[in-house]
Amino acid sequence: AQTVTQSQPEMSVQEAETVTLSCTYDTSESDYYLFWYKQPPSRQMILVIRQEAYKQQNATENRFSVNFQKAAKSFSLKISDSQLGDAAMYFCAYNWRNTGFQKLVFGTGTRLLVSP
Amino acid sequence: DTEVTQTPKHLVMGMTNKKSLKCEQHMGHRAMYWYKQKAKKPPELMFVYSYEKLSINESVPSRFSPECPNSSLLNLHLHALQPEDSALYLCASSQGLGQGAFETQYFGPGTRLLVL
Repeated sequence: AQTVTQSQPEMSVQEAETVTLSCTYDTSESDYYLFWYKQPPSRQMILVIRQEAYKQQNATENRFSVNFQKAAKSFSLKISDSQLGDAAMYFCAYNWRNTGFQKLVFGTGTRLLVSP
Repeated sequence: DTEVTQTPKHLVMGMTNKKSLKCEQHMGHRAMYWYKQKAKKPPELMFVYSYEKLSINESVPSRFSPECPNSSLLNLHLHALQPEDSALYLCASSQGLGQGAFETQYFGPGTRLLVL
């Protein structure tokens, strides 16, 4: 079964600094998508970044980038130049595909605190 | 435009009430999802609709009744709920490209439900 593990329940960073959130997953599939979603106190799940497993190049979106290590089944998120608005719960998710449907498998989340 | 809207934002209901949650998207997506999220936990999939047909029911109790009247609209009808059903209910949508394609799910802001 596909599982996603986020081993850091909470992380802290100061404004303008860089922080890395860890995620590992377990799968026997060779083709899949991985996502990082952000959920601020407003509750909405916001897509931060997506990585296609067949792509060797790490995805980047402005201040957000990933370190995708397919062999190690690791998918970490790096946030550069952290801002107060980055404070949120961050969920790593694996897109599981089976016959006829898709399912997101989420990790347990990492709460990111950002201090001035 | 990646907007999914949900109404109401908050809902308080008694165990004998009947209420409905509404979700709407105008991105032309053909797959829509209901998730339940308890505090400090990741979302859990409840239902998946693909082309207005129920594709997945993750063994959800019958007091939750989904409905997809058209490709833009998804409802969740609630009846005789229990206090443990209090949670954030999230709706999501994706393109619905069918078997073999990976997709990105876009989430709405959620409805915070309290059952008294």
